[in-house]
Amino acid sequence: DVKVTQSSRYLVKRTGEKVFLECVQDMDHENMFWYRQDPGLGLRLIYFSYDVKMKEKGDIPEGYSVSREKKERFSLILESASTNQTSMYLCASSAQDTLLGEKLFFGSGTQLSVL
Amino acid sequence: QKEVEQNSGPLSVPEGAIASLNCTYSDRGSQSFFWYRQYSGKSPELIMFIYSNGDKEDGRFTAQLNKASQYVSLLIRDSQPSDSATYLCAVNIGYGQNFVFGPGTRLSVLP
Repeated sequence: DVKVTQSSRYLVKRTGEKVFLECVQDMDHENMFWYRQDPGLGLRLIYFSYDVKMKEKGDIPEGYSVSREKKERFSLILESASTNQTSMYLCASSAQDTLLGEKLFFGSGTQLSVL
Repeated sequence: QKEVEQNSGPLSVPEGAIASLNCTYSDRGSQSFFWYRQYSGKSPELIMFIYSNGDKEDGRFTAQLNKASQYVSLLIRDSQPSDSATYLCAVNIGYGQNFVFGPGTRLSVLP
């Protein structure tokens, strides 16, 4: 069965802390994504990766970085957390894209609160 | 700016009725179209995808695509209370894995 696992369901951090969100998939997918979801704004893409050690900026990369050292693991890093980064963070993966794209499988999400 | 728009709702329908969810997109180069269902507090799950103009049916769900009008819809027949969720429209604009999501429509099916 398809599985994308995010390390924490809820996380509370202080302003200025460095925050790591971990995501692991067991489907041998090439592509992995980090989204944040806010009420009324839908899902917005932060970063994605289509191969190990490769990364591409999404629509809202500011204040975030990512790491993909192994195919199955994609980490999102908040270098210095701020209150406007309080959000639901969703990791997703997909197989190598065809011309028309492939479906996304999502993790269960991490609700991050920055105080 | 590539945009995907949906009515935020809530859309309320009685049990057994047809629920119609609509989505418009701005990029004419969009190639593929997806509907995700998201229950409150849960992550999105894919329920339908469509690539070509016309209708695609899967059980109680029908996706409809009209590229000329830049419009995609999801029909849910014989709606059930368990269909109550937020439905996200997602569009792949055709290169790489660049999905753009709409804000979602909240559907409430009343028993």
